[in-house]
Order: sequence, then C-alpha cells, then structure tokens
Amino acid sequence: EDKVVQSPLSLVVHEGDTVTLNCSYEVTNFRSLLWYKQEKKAPTFLFMLTSSGIEKKSGRLSSILDKKELFSILNITATQTGDSAVYLCAGPLSNTGNQFYFGTGTSLTVIP
Amino acid sequence: EAQVTQNPRYLITVTGKKLTVTCSQNMNHEYMSWYRQDPGLGLRQIYYSMNVEVTDKGDVPEGYKVSRKEKRNFPLILESPSPNQTSLYFCASSLGTGNSPLHFGNGTRLTVT
Repeated sequence: EDKVVQSPLSLVVHEGDTVTLNCSYEVTNFRSLLWYKQEKKAPTFLFMLTSSGIEKKSGRLSSILDKKELFSILNITATQTGDSAVYLCAGPLSNTGNQFYFGTGTSLTVIP
Repeated sequence: EAQVTQNPRYLITVTGKKLTVTCSQNMNHEYMSWYRQDPGLGLRQIYYSMNVEVTDKGDVPEGYKVSRKEKRNFPLILESPSPNQTSLYFCASSLGTGNSPLHFGNGTRLTVT
C-alpha cells in the first residue's frame, strides 16, 4: 500500500523552464509533509509544510499543501542545470507520527 | 557543525560476515532512524528510535538489528549479511514529534557478495 506517491517519475526540461512536481499522500493524522533534494549523495531538506504553514518559498523554489485533497506541489521557476536531482516527498504519516514514509521521487534533468 | 556522521562510506563484505555501520549525531536529537535506498523502491525505513533504549521496527527490519544505548549513537548491525542487503544506507535524525525535518548522514554503500 503506497502512502506517498510522486509524479512524474522523471522529467527533462531546458534551462529557464518552470516545472511542477507532484506529491499525494495518505494520512490518518496529518502532522507535516517534507520535500527533499537528492543529488548523488544524502537528501537535503528543502521545505516542511504543516497545518500552520501550507505555503513555503525559497528563491526559485516554492511549495504548497492542499490538506483537503492530501496533495502537495513543488514548483521550480527559471530552472538551472544545478537543479538536476531527485526530489523526494516525505511525511510522518503513521498514527504515532514516528514513521517517515518517502515517495520514490521525481528525477529532474535540466539541460542547457 | 551540526551533522549526522556515518561510517564507513563504502563497505564490501561476504555473505554471513557480521558487520556494523555506525551513526552518530551531534544535535541532541531524540529521534534517529535507518533507511535503505534501492532503485525503483525509494527510501524505506528499517528501524527507528524515539529515545535511548527505545527502538521500533520500520517497514523492512528483517535481517537487521539496532541499539540505542546513548542518545547520540544508533548503530545498524547485520548479523549475517546476504546479497539482498546490498544497498545504499542512510542514517537520519530529528528532534522528533513529527514536526521537525530529518537530517541525513552521507550514506553507506554496502555490497554483499
């Protein structure tokens, strides 16, 4: 049973394009939803969205959360080759909030 | 510098030879966790710990053991490694509560032949 589903699986765009990455999730007791960027190493934290903060922005990256539809998107505007990475969506989605579930990620490739 | 430190970064071993991957964090985090990452399967949780002496199974605990004798350390033990445990392993920590992000170590690439 999938708890976090990301789409698309992969994406290839040209520099300067805007991309939207999707994350849908199942939850019985929502606490937070997190976005990570993973290059060829450990995932690095981008955003955390909670009940009290459903929209976050940092430079060219932004994310919103739709708690009603159990859905989040990550937007990247004016993409650069350095944005090439796998983007992961995750959340503590168990009843206790102690188990973090990750989606399989969206692989983004930005070509010059 | 706040960080999660894993060792070793790379490990090649043979089937059945016990091994330990160490993990240490210097952020005084309550919560620590181990993941394995495999192509097409993403990050899957092996074990997690809410505090000293408190550990729980994640989604894929078979073949692994952990211990949490001190707050900062959370070693992953493979008593009898098998080839299907060849994977990329990450240790992570957070403040806990479900409202704080996970901080990851740099990963350990394990190959079992």
